Amino acid sequence: QTVVTQEPSLSVSPGGTVTLTCGLNSGSVFVSYYPSWYQQTPGQAPRTLIYNTNIRSSGVPDRFSGSILGNKAALTITGAQADDESDYYCLLSMGRGILVFGGGTKLTVV
Amino acid sequence: QVQLQESGPGLVKPSETLSLTCTVSGGSISSSNTYYWGWIRQPPEKGLEWIGNIFHSGDTSYNPSLKSRVTISVDTSKNQFSLKLTSVTAADTAVYYCARLPFRENFDFWGQGTLVTVSS
Repeated sequence: QTVVTQEPSLSVSPGGTVTLTCGLNSGSVFVSYYPSWYQQTPGQAPRTLIYNTNIRSSGVPDRFSGSILGNKAALTITGAQADDESDYYCLLSMGRGILVFGGGTKLTVV
Repeated sequence: QVQLQESGPGLVKPSETLSLTCTVSGGSISSSNTYYWGWIRQPPEKGLEWIGNIFHSGDTSYNPSLKSRVTISVDTSKNQFSLKLTSVTAADTAVYYCARLPFRENFDFWGQGTLVTVSS
């Protein structure tokens, strides 16, 4: 069974930089998995941040960036702000139309 | 800008079938040869789970863990697509979202979500 792994929780100071990662229990994440990232605040629908590894969705500030770091996909927030405090989910495309979400990372800005 | 809106019963009895519809506005569901349309759910206090996708031609893909109970269909004349989940249990209680996939690999626009509770 495919399991997409994310840090359950992370914290960052206002103005700081934090990197969230997205891994696979079965091996490495490559660009061919088309990693994407979603931000969700309580009671709201998810918001698309990044798709195809590193393309920012329309209106997303450039302090959010996506990449492949080592064997994982990564979302980096540079210059974190208070309203970045949210849950973040990655999504991988496993081929043949099958998609798998990670378990999510709860980011605290303190 | 495309908008999506989920609709359907908020309460379903155990063992019955959950049925939801997603109405797309601001664009035709069949206007592009790349757009797919999908369903995602989120149990209370838990993470997102992909349910399945459909293309306007009717081509579908489903989460293997739900495949035996899920059917997604499309009605291009109404600009809607629908979800049916059979034999529901309390574990199917969740907020259900519909969303658009521009290239089948990721979501761009999301509906606001609708809570479905499975209870007698």
